[in-house]
Amino acid sequence: EVQLVESGGNLVQPGGSLRLSCAASGFTFSTYEMNWLRQAPGKGLEWVSHINPSGITVYYANSVKGRFSISRDNTKNSLYLQMDSLRVEDTALYYCARAGRSTYDLWGQGTLVTVSS
Amino acid sequence: DIVMTQSPDSLAVSLGERATINCRSSQSVLGRSNNKFYLAWYQQKPGQPPKLLISWASTRESGVPDRFSGSGSGTDFTLTISGLQAEDVAVYYCHQYHTTPWTFGRGTKVEIK
Repeated sequence: EVQLVESGGNLVQPGGSLRLSCAASGFTFSTYEMNWLRQAPGKGLEWVSHINPSGITVYYANSVKGRFSISRDNTKNSLYLQMDSLRVEDTALYYCARAGRSTYDLWGQGTLVTVSS
Repeated sequence: DIVMTQSPDSLAVSLGERATINCRSSQSVLGRSNNKFYLAWYQQKPGQPPKLLISWASTRESGVPDRFSGSGSGTDFTLTISGLQAEDVAVYYCHQYHTTPWTFGRGTKVEIK
């Protein structure tokens, strides 16, 4: 089955760190660009970060630049998001998404990150 | 950043009637190399991730019912649901993938009247 499964979300205090993971299956992970997006409770969608198939080219939203780091391990069919210096406003459901021939054509169910004291 | 402005914020449509959602980009999302609009529409139902309905402004994804159609040019785009069904109740988002940061509209909530 073609799917993405996120994990690693948790409750963390402001200033803390978390590492999210996304396990891909059912497709050739190493050939796809991958992304992290997020959705704050009751809010819209926000793109967070992008990585190319080789892992060399990465992009970040201004809101997370310098605090978040995206990476991938093509041998493990996995995508990661290291999140440091977390803020209350980072609270959201974090999705990993595959970029197909056009844009995000496959999404996981998401993992919840809550930043609160 | 390219700002995507959707309207209306919400709309209620009778079953079988047409629903029309508009989206305007603050800059062109036309690709110079392929002359395609880098504009997509997503459907999100409660508790579910977004589902890609339409890409390149008017290309329906595989398996998407043909009552969903996308159109537009320049900086103005439209998602039309022709003959609303109960299962179409959702929030719909437009999205530009032309320029980073890739951005979304704020969403339009579609309900049954």
